[in-house]
Amino acid sequence: SAVISQKPSRDICQRGTSLTIQCQVDSQVTMMFWYRQQPGQSLTLIATANQGSEATYESGFVIDKFPISRPNLTFSTLTVSNMSPEDSSIYLCSARRGPGEPQHFGDGTRLSIL
Amino acid sequence: KQEVTQIPAALSVPEGENLVLNCSFTDSAIYNLQWFRQDPGKGLTSLLLIQSSQREQTSGRLNASLDKSSGRSTLYIAASQPGDSATYLCAVAQGGSEKLVFGKGTKLTVNP
Repeated sequence: SAVISQKPSRDICQRGTSLTIQCQVDSQVTMMFWYRQQPGQSLTLIATANQGSEATYESGFVIDKFPISRPNLTFSTLTVSNMSPEDSSIYLCSARRGPGEPQHFGDGTRLSIL
Repeated sequence: KQEVTQIPAALSVPEGENLVLNCSFTDSAIYNLQWFRQDPGKGLTSLLLIQSSQREQTSGRLNASLDKSSGRSTLYIAASQPGDSATYLCAVAQGGSEKLVFGKGTKLTVNP
C-alpha cells in the first residue's frame, strides 16, 4: 500500500493568512485527492489533483480559495487561502495507484484559525 | 446525488462479541466500496475494498459484504477486541475518477 506523508501535521493560524499543506507519496500514483473533515463530520472531497493540469473541484469549492498543485506523480500541495475560523478542519490527502485500487490516506493536517 | 448512511452512529460492546456495522447507499451505480477505520487524531486506514462485481472480502477477523442491487454493505467483526475501538467509515467510489463519497461513520467502543 502507498505510504502518504502530510506536512504540517497541525497548525494554528491567524485570520486572513494562507497555509500550504504538502502531501508526499512514497511511490507513483495515478490519482491524488484532497478532503476536508470538519469537526464531528465525515470527509468531504475538495478536489482531485491532476498531474500537470488544473485540479478538478467539487461543488462548493473554488480554486481561488483552495489552490492545488500537482507537479509530478508523487507530490501535491493544497493551499487554504484568506483563512477564517470556518476553515478550521482536518485536511486530508489521499492517493490511489491505479483503477480499482484502494485509496490510502495521510494522517491529515489539523488546522485551527484564530 | 449519492448519499451514504451508516447505522448505528455509535456502538458499545463487551470484548469478544461478534458485531455488524451497516452501510447503505442510494445510487447502486458504484465502482467499488471501501471500509476504513479512523483512530482519534489520526488519518484513515484502509480495511477492505470490494469491487462492484464482488460479493464479499475478508481480512483476518473482518468480513465485508456488498449487495449492490439493494444498496447495502456490512462489515462483520469477529471476536472483537479493545484495540478495535475506532470510528469505522464506509465510502463508495463513483465515476471514472473513483472519487469517494463517505458516510458519517460508526464509532465503536469495545470494553475489556
